[in-house]
Amino acid sequence: EADIYQTPRYLVIGTGKKITLECSQTMGHDKMYWYQQDPGMELHLIHYSYGVNSTEKGDLSSESTVSRIRTEHFPLTLESARPSHTSQYLCASSSPGGGSGYTFGSGTRLTVV
Amino acid sequence: AQSVSQHNHHVILSEAASLELGCNYSYGGTVNLFWYVQYPGQHLQLLLKYFSGDPLVKGIKGFEAEFIKSKFSFNLRKPSVQWSDTAEYFCAVISGNTGKLIFGQGTTLQVKP
Repeated sequence: EADIYQTPRYLVIGTGKKITLECSQTMGHDKMYWYQQDPGMELHLIHYSYGVNSTEKGDLSSESTVSRIRTEHFPLTLESARPSHTSQYLCASSSPGGGSGYTFGSGTRLTVV
Repeated sequence: AQSVSQHNHHVILSEAASLELGCNYSYGGTVNLFWYVQYPGQHLQLLLKYFSGDPLVKGIKGFEAEFIKSKFSFNLRKPSVQWSDTAEYFCAVISGNTGKLIFGQGTTLQVKP
């Protein structure tokens, strides 16, 4: 049973709309991550956080932004969605040191029309 | 920069065939190594992981992987695949420096019944 939850599971939205993808975890992990995955492609880290009020850009440039006001919550926002943002977005969290691996949410598949 | 390379992009096997998926990484320091699996429509799940000790690691569902430090490799193996192993497989590395999980490009495995 997953301890990290993402909503919505699927989202189809028009160009120019503002959207927020939700991610919450119940494990008390300090470290949280957002990955972007295009179909059949590798996962790219776009944002990460090492704790409350800590956010960093990942290896892949993204127009999205994130916030970390509470340990358990790490939402991702697109101010103005575009078709190029169509992708799957995966949220993850890890224990201190990351050595035990990451726990992933089920993802949000975003389609911008 | 750190990178993870998976040699096989798409593999097609018949049931009961043996499987080996290649994975090489580029970081020379301390690494933690992982294989994740993503079944169709499901979230990423951890198959197995290597931190230290015995370089032959056994995971779930009969999978194993061997860490060969001199070759910077962490290949995934299964002696006899089943139709239910059809999925996407990702090799991933956490380096000691960054603590970030870096993924390979993924390998799509299709097992024919």
